[in-house]
Formats: sequence, structure tokens, C-alpha cells
Amino acid sequence: QSALTQPASVSGSPGQSITISCTGSSTDVGADNYVSWYQQHPGKAPKLMIYEVNIRPSGVSNRFSGSKSGNTASLTISGLQAEDEGDYYCSSYTTSSTLDVVFGGGTKLTVL
Amino acid sequence: QVQLQESGPGLVKTSETLSLTCDVSGYSISSGYFWGWIRQPPGKGLEWIGSISDSGNLYDNASLKSRLTISVDASKNQFSLKLSSVTAADTAVYYCARATRSRGWFFDYWGQGTLVTVSS
Repeated sequence: QSALTQPASVSGSPGQSITISCTGSSTDVGADNYVSWYQQHPGKAPKLMIYEVNIRPSGVSNRFSGSKSGNTASLTISGLQAEDEGDYYCSSYTTSSTLDVVFGGGTKLTVL
Repeated sequence: QVQLQESGPGLVKTSETLSLTCDVSGYSISSGYFWGWIRQPPGKGLEWIGSISDSGNLYDNASLKSRLTISVDASKNQFSLKLSSVTAADTAVYYCARATRSRGWFFDYWGQGTLVTVSS
């Protein structure tokens, strides 16, 4: 069971916007602004899309944005494109005594 | 450009030790950052295994700690993972990645991943 909760799937049509939520607790998502998001295409390694809640690495499209409220973080993709289809994982620093990093269970994004 | 490449056996027998190496190119391990291992069982999500600095400062997943060894060899610009007493539950794609700890742990460069199957 993943420490962070994500919806199993979301979908949207090209050009639309979608939001993926990531719910944790006061010991991880809510503890600080240390949430990151990864995109994974089938058979490929994850790719960092967002770090520190809302910072995009160089080269990542500005169609991707992140936010956080309390214990829930969100990834929004605007102007949906076919190439956005894939799995998305959130991750957070955690104050747990047993591990430093937790991931969400992943969300499959389907572009209709 | 930073590149990482995992290598090691793709098949390990139950109860034996899984050993993987990650070769880093385009960046010197000694220049900073942490270096981590993450795994993904087939069809499932990501699990953080552990991360190590060039000086050997280690952070690891307590659920694996008793079986886990992560080491770094800066002279070869590589770091390694050993997981002992493996079972079928350790079957996964294993990724190595460059990690930033000071800003809450994120992984900006990843290897392509290597599938390790545990079987008797």
C-alpha cells in the first residue's frame, strides 16, 4: 500500500486540462514544500516533471504545473496532448523514522 | 549530459544476493548530489530503496535495511546495490538515479532500468 494516495486513472481530450491529486499526511505532503512529480511512459524510466511543489526543471513544458494545499498536492496539465499519455507518480519527503522518500501509487493518464 | 546505466544479472535465485552497479557518465559523483536506487515491481508503483552521497552518507528504506548494502566508488564513478536473501517479492525493474536531498529528495536523472527476476 502506497503512502501517498493518487487516483488510479484520469482522462481528458486533447486541448483540455486535467488535474491529478496526491494525498498524504502532515508527516509527508503537509510537512514541507517538498513534493515532486514524475511522468513515465511504458517501458521507460520516470522523468522528473515538477519538484518543490511547483518548480519545473529545464526543458519541461509550461503546460505542467504543480500546487499544494494542506496534505494534498496536485499536478495540472493544460492543453492536453497525445504525448502526455502515461503514468504519473507523486513523491514527497517524509519525516517518518523508517524512510525518507515516499511515492504515490501512480495515476494512468489517458488522452482520449 | 548526465547519464546513468545499470548493470547486473537479470536472474537471481531465491535466497541469494542481488547485485547491481550504476555507472555514471557526464558528471563526477565526487562533485556532489546523492545517488539513489528505486525499484518498480512489474505493473506496480515506485519504491525508494536508498540513497548515498559520494562520501558514503547513506539514507535507506528501513523495510530493506537488514538486507541492503549501498556503496559508492568515486574512483570508478559508480555506485552499487546489494540486496541479500531475495525472494520473489524483490522481482522488479531497478533504477539508479541522481538525487537531490537538500530540497526534499527528488531524482532528476535516471538510468533506463534493469529487470531483475528472482526465481528458484
